[in-house]
Amino acid sequence: NAGVTQTPKFQVLKTGQSMTLQCAQDMNHEYMSWYRQDPGMGLRLIHYSVGAGITDQGEVPNGYNVSRSTTEDFPLRLLSAAPSQTSVYFCASSYSIPGASQPQHFGDGTRLSIL
Amino acid sequence: GQSLEQPSEVTAVEGAIVQINCTYQTSGFYGLSWYQQHDGGAPTFLSYNALDGLEETGRFSSFLSRSDSYGYLLLQELQMKDSASYFCAVRDYDTPLVFGKGTRLSVIA
Repeated sequence: NAGVTQTPKFQVLKTGQSMTLQCAQDMNHEYMSWYRQDPGMGLRLIHYSVGAGITDQGEVPNGYNVSRSTTEDFPLRLLSAAPSQTSVYFCASSYSIPGASQPQHFGDGTRLSIL
Repeated sequence: GQSLEQPSEVTAVEGAIVQINCTYQTSGFYGLSWYQQHDGGAPTFLSYNALDGLEETGRFSSFLSRSDSYGYLLLQELQMKDSASYFCAVRDYDTPLVFGKGTRLSVIA
């Protein structure tokens, strides 16, 4: 069982470059989300999706785009990388909106450094 | 909006009991969750409370008081492998799951 798969695991970018972080899940989950985790800041929600074709902004959406063309995939795009986006990025999924009773399953994370 | 407060660090002795508190402010409330994260790893789901009271899962228990907007995670018979960060998280009427900043638990011999 693969669960939630994130690629790449590590990435170094230069300021101004763009890139896409990939996230795929094989559990047929409707809800998917992206978080960033910075030291002392916990997990902050970037964007989320409640199903294919539906996305919405979280707490810190600026500088990021998402799309959800299939149930399985939820890529996160950095439009023009900035050093402030250096972080660990986690993708997560659950059967429905995680109203506490719906545990979120997390990927292993992407460690992104922007120089 | 929401805000969650939990201690940043807690230290406890192997074999002891430790309680990690979480207070929250939300516009509406569905429930309180707890997640564990080891250094370098991904968060994993521990427990969930929607109603007042104590929920027990093995060595871990979680408590909720909706009237006090307060909950806690109780870890018994602490083991070295319990050293990790623990996050409380809430969902309210407007927003999917929002996490606290986490409590780093250090278990010492």
